[in-house]
Amino acid sequence: EPEVTQTPSHQVTQMGQEVILRCVPISNHLYFYWYRQILGQKVEFLVSFYNNEISEKSEIFDDQFSVERPDGSNFTLKIRSTKLEDSAMYFCASRENRDSTEAFFGQGTRLTVV
Amino acid sequence: SQKIEQNSEALNIQEGKTATLTCNYTNYSPAYLQWYRQDPGRGPVFLLLIRENEKEKRKERLKVTFDTTLKQSLFHITASQPADSATYLCALDNAGNMLTFGGGTRLMVKP
Repeated sequence: EPEVTQTPSHQVTQMGQEVILRCVPISNHLYFYWYRQILGQKVEFLVSFYNNEISEKSEIFDDQFSVERPDGSNFTLKIRSTKLEDSAMYFCASRENRDSTEAFFGQGTRLTVV
Repeated sequence: SQKIEQNSEALNIQEGKTATLTCNYTNYSPAYLQWYRQDPGRGPVFLLLIRENEKEKRKERLKVTFDTTLKQSLFHITASQPADSATYLCALDNAGNMLTFGGGTRLMVKP
Protein backbone atom coordinates (compact mmCIF):
# COMPACT_ATOMS: atom_id res chain seq x y z
CA GLU A 1 0.00 0.00 0.00
CA PRO A 2 1.40 3.43 -0.89
CA GLU A 3 2.49 5.54 2.05
CA VAL A 4 3.92 8.91 2.97
CA THR A 5 7.44 8.58 4.33
CA GLN A 6 9.20 11.08 6.57
CA THR A 7 12.82 11.41 7.60
CA PRO A 8 14.33 11.59 10.08
CA SER A 9 12.03 9.98 12.63
CA HIS A 10 13.66 11.99 15.40
CA GLN A 11 15.73 15.18 15.21
CA VAL A 12 17.44 16.91 18.11
CA THR A 13 18.75 20.39 17.44
CA GLN A 14 20.20 23.33 19.31
CA MET A 15 18.06 26.43 19.68
CA GLY A 16 18.79 28.85 16.84
CA GLN A 17 19.87 26.15 14.40
CA GLU A 18 18.18 25.46 11.08
CA VAL A 19 16.43 22.16 10.52
CA ILE A 20 15.00 20.57 7.40
CA LEU A 21 12.33 17.93 7.72
CA ARG A 22 11.85 15.72 4.71
CA CYS A 23 8.82 13.98 3.28
CA VAL A 24 8.12 11.81 0.26
CA PRO A 25 4.40 12.07 -0.51
CA ILE A 26 2.47 9.39 -2.38
CA SER A 27 3.56 9.58 -6.01
CA ASN A 28 0.31 10.50 -7.80
CA HIS A 29 -0.87 12.96 -5.13
CA LEU A 30 -1.11 16.64 -5.95
CA TYR A 31 -1.74 18.33 -2.60
CA PHE A 32 0.81 18.37 0.20
CA TYR A 33 0.59 19.52 3.78
CA TRP A 34 2.54 19.98 6.96
CA TYR A 35 0.91 19.68 10.36
CA ARG A 36 2.41 19.71 13.82
CA GLN A 37 1.37 18.27 17.17
CA ILE A 38 2.88 19.54 20.39
CA LEU A 39 2.94 16.79 22.99
CA GLY A 40 -0.51 16.28 24.48
CA GLN A 41 -2.15 18.83 22.20
CA LYS A 42 -4.18 18.74 19.02
CA VAL A 43 -2.89 18.33 15.50
CA GLU A 44 -2.46 21.83 14.01
CA PHE A 45 -2.36 22.84 10.35
CA LEU A 46 0.79 24.65 9.20
CA VAL A 47 0.71 24.89 5.42
CA SER A 48 -0.75 23.45 2.24
CA PHE A 49 1.09 23.29 -1.08
CA TYR A 50 -0.19 22.76 -4.59
CA ASN A 51 1.24 23.32 -8.03
CA ASN A 52 4.58 24.41 -6.58
CA GLU A 53 3.20 27.13 -4.40
CA ILE A 54 1.68 27.64 -0.99
CA SER A 55 -2.11 27.61 -1.19
CA GLU A 56 -2.83 28.30 2.47
CA LYS A 57 -0.88 28.80 5.68
CA SER A 58 -1.72 29.24 9.33
CA GLU A 59 -0.59 31.89 11.79
CA ILE A 60 1.98 29.42 13.08
CA PHE A 61 3.71 29.37 9.69
CA ASP A 62 5.65 32.61 10.08
CA ASP A 63 8.80 33.84 8.33
CA GLN A 64 10.90 31.24 10.12
CA PHE A 65 9.17 28.48 8.17
CA SER A 66 9.44 27.63 4.50
CA VAL A 67 8.45 24.73 2.29
CA GLU A 68 9.90 23.45 -0.91
CA ARG A 69 9.42 20.73 -3.45
CA PRO A 70 12.97 20.55 -4.77
CA ASP A 71 12.33 17.66 -7.16
CA GLY A 72 9.49 15.45 -8.28
CA SER A 73 9.32 13.42 -5.11
CA ASN A 74 10.49 15.29 -2.02
CA PHE A 75 8.59 17.89 0.01
CA THR A 76 10.53 19.68 2.74
CA LEU A 77 9.80 21.91 5.70
CA LYS A 78 12.59 24.21 6.83
CA ILE A 79 12.71 26.03 10.14
CA ARG A 80 15.40 28.69 9.89
CA SER A 81 16.14 29.46 13.52
CA THR A 82 14.55 26.96 15.86
CA LYS A 83 13.01 27.94 19.17
CA LEU A 84 12.24 25.77 22.17
CA GLU A 85 8.53 26.04 21.39
CA ASP A 86 9.09 24.47 17.96
CA SER A 87 9.54 21.13 19.73
CA ALA A 88 6.72 18.96 18.43
CA MET A 89 5.83 16.07 16.18
CA TYR A 90 5.69 17.25 12.56
CA PHE A 91 3.47 15.34 10.18
CA CYS A 92 3.54 15.51 6.42
CA ALA A 93 0.36 14.59 4.55
CA SER A 94 -0.73 14.29 0.95
CA ARG A 95 -4.01 14.08 -0.91
CA GLU A 96 -4.70 12.80 -4.40
CA ASN A 97 -6.91 15.74 -5.26
CA ARG A 98 -8.67 18.61 -3.58
CA ASP A 99 -12.17 17.24 -3.55
CA SER A 100 -13.45 14.72 -1.04
CA THR A 101 -10.47 12.46 -0.59
CA GLU A 102 -8.68 11.33 2.50
CA ALA A 103 -5.38 12.75 3.62
CA PHE A 104 -2.57 10.26 4.06
CA PHE A 105 -0.25 11.11 6.92
CA GLY A 106 3.34 10.09 7.44
CA GLN A 107 4.60 8.69 10.72
CA GLY A 108 6.02 12.02 11.72
CA THR A 109 9.33 13.57 12.72
CA ARG A 110 9.77 14.26 16.39
CA LEU A 111 11.68 17.53 16.65
CA THR A 112 13.31 18.31 19.96
CA VAL A 113 14.89 21.76 20.37
CA VAL A 114 17.31 22.04 23.27
CA SER B 1 -13.47 31.90 15.98
CA GLN B 2 -13.85 28.30 14.89
CA LYS B 3 -14.13 25.78 17.66
CA ILE B 4 -14.17 22.00 17.52
CA GLU B 5 -14.92 20.07 20.67
CA GLN B 6 -14.40 16.43 21.40
CA ASN B 7 -14.80 14.88 24.81
CA SER B 8 -11.31 15.17 26.27
CA GLU B 9 -12.01 12.53 28.89
CA ALA B 10 -11.17 8.96 27.98
CA LEU B 11 -14.06 6.69 27.08
CA ASN B 12 -13.83 3.28 28.72
CA ILE B 13 -16.08 0.52 27.42
CA GLN B 14 -16.33 -3.24 27.58
CA GLU B 15 -15.39 -5.39 24.61
CA GLY B 16 -18.38 -6.10 22.41
CA LYS B 17 -20.22 -2.90 23.28
CA THR B 18 -20.79 0.05 20.96
CA ALA B 19 -18.54 3.06 21.44
CA THR B 20 -20.04 6.45 20.58
CA LEU B 21 -17.79 9.50 20.24
CA THR B 22 -19.02 13.05 19.76
CA CYS B 23 -17.66 15.97 17.76
CA ASN B 24 -19.26 19.41 18.06
CA TYR B 25 -18.24 22.50 16.18
CA THR B 26 -19.12 26.19 16.06
CA ASN B 27 -18.53 29.10 13.71
CA TYR B 28 -17.76 26.80 10.82
CA SER B 29 -19.48 25.39 7.76
CA PRO B 30 -17.32 22.50 6.62
CA ALA B 31 -17.72 20.90 3.24
CA TYR B 32 -16.75 17.58 4.76
CA LEU B 33 -16.05 16.06 8.12
CA GLN B 34 -13.46 13.37 8.60
CA TRP B 35 -12.60 10.93 11.36
CA TYR B 36 -9.09 9.67 11.99
CA ARG B 37 -7.50 7.22 14.35
CA GLN B 38 -4.22 8.06 16.06
CA ASP B 39 -2.08 5.63 18.01
CA PRO B 40 0.60 6.94 20.44
CA GLY B 41 3.59 8.38 18.59
CA ARG B 42 2.04 7.75 15.16
CA GLY B 43 0.43 9.81 12.46
CA PRO B 44 -3.36 10.03 12.06
CA VAL B 45 -4.94 7.31 9.94
CA PHE B 46 -8.04 8.10 7.90
CA LEU B 47 -11.21 6.21 8.78
CA LEU B 48 -14.26 7.87 7.24
CA LEU B 49 -15.30 11.02 5.40
CA ILE B 50 -18.84 12.37 5.30
CA ARG B 51 -20.09 15.23 3.13
CA GLU B 52 -22.30 18.06 4.33
CA ASN B 53 -25.26 16.69 2.36
CA GLU B 54 -24.92 13.18 3.80
CA LYS B 55 -26.61 12.13 7.02
CA GLU B 56 -24.84 8.86 7.63
CA LYS B 57 -21.89 6.84 6.37
CA ARG B 58 -20.89 3.27 7.21
CA LYS B 59 -17.76 1.19 6.80
CA GLU B 60 -17.64 -2.27 8.32
CA ARG B 61 -18.08 -1.76 12.11
CA LEU B 62 -17.86 2.04 11.84
CA LYS B 63 -20.71 4.50 11.41
CA VAL B 64 -20.60 8.28 11.21
CA THR B 65 -23.51 10.69 11.33
CA PHE B 66 -23.39 14.37 10.42
CA ASP B 67 -25.99 16.89 11.52
CA THR B 68 -25.18 20.31 10.05
CA THR B 69 -28.11 21.89 11.92
CA LEU B 70 -26.84 20.72 15.32
CA LYS B 71 -23.24 21.14 14.09
CA GLN B 72 -22.44 17.71 15.39
CA SER B 73 -21.01 14.41 14.23
CA LEU B 74 -21.28 11.11 16.04
CA PHE B 75 -18.81 8.28 15.46
CA HIS B 76 -19.84 4.76 16.40
CA ILE B 77 -17.78 1.59 16.64
CA THR B 78 -19.97 -1.48 17.01
CA ALA B 79 -18.81 -4.78 18.52
CA SER B 80 -15.76 -2.99 19.89
CA GLN B 81 -12.48 -4.86 20.37
CA PRO B 82 -9.39 -4.12 22.49
CA ALA B 83 -7.57 -3.40 19.21
CA ASP B 84 -9.91 -0.43 18.72
CA SER B 85 -8.26 1.30 21.68
CA ALA B 86 -6.74 4.53 20.35
CA THR B 87 -7.40 8.26 20.13
CA TYR B 88 -10.04 9.23 17.60
CA LEU B 89 -9.82 12.62 15.93
CA CYS B 90 -12.55 14.57 14.28
CA ALA B 91 -11.43 16.95 11.52
CA LEU B 92 -13.32 19.64 9.64
CA ASP B 93 -12.44 19.87 5.99
CA ASN B 94 -12.80 23.08 4.02
CA ALA B 95 -12.56 21.16 0.74
CA GLY B 96 -8.91 20.86 0.12
CA ASN B 97 -6.67 23.37 1.74
CA MET B 98 -6.63 22.29 5.33
CA LEU B 99 -8.02 20.04 8.02
CA THR B 100 -8.92 21.54 11.38
CA PHE B 101 -8.66 18.89 14.07
CA GLY B 102 -10.40 18.48 17.37
CA GLY B 103 -8.42 17.49 20.44
CA GLY B 104 -9.43 13.84 20.12
CA THR B 105 -11.09 11.35 22.42
CA ARG B 106 -9.14 8.42 23.81
CA LEU B 107 -11.06 5.16 23.64
CA MET B 108 -10.13 2.24 25.87
CA VAL B 109 -11.83 -1.09 25.16
CA LYS B 110 -11.41 -3.56 27.98
CA PRO B 111 -11.52 -7.33 27.37
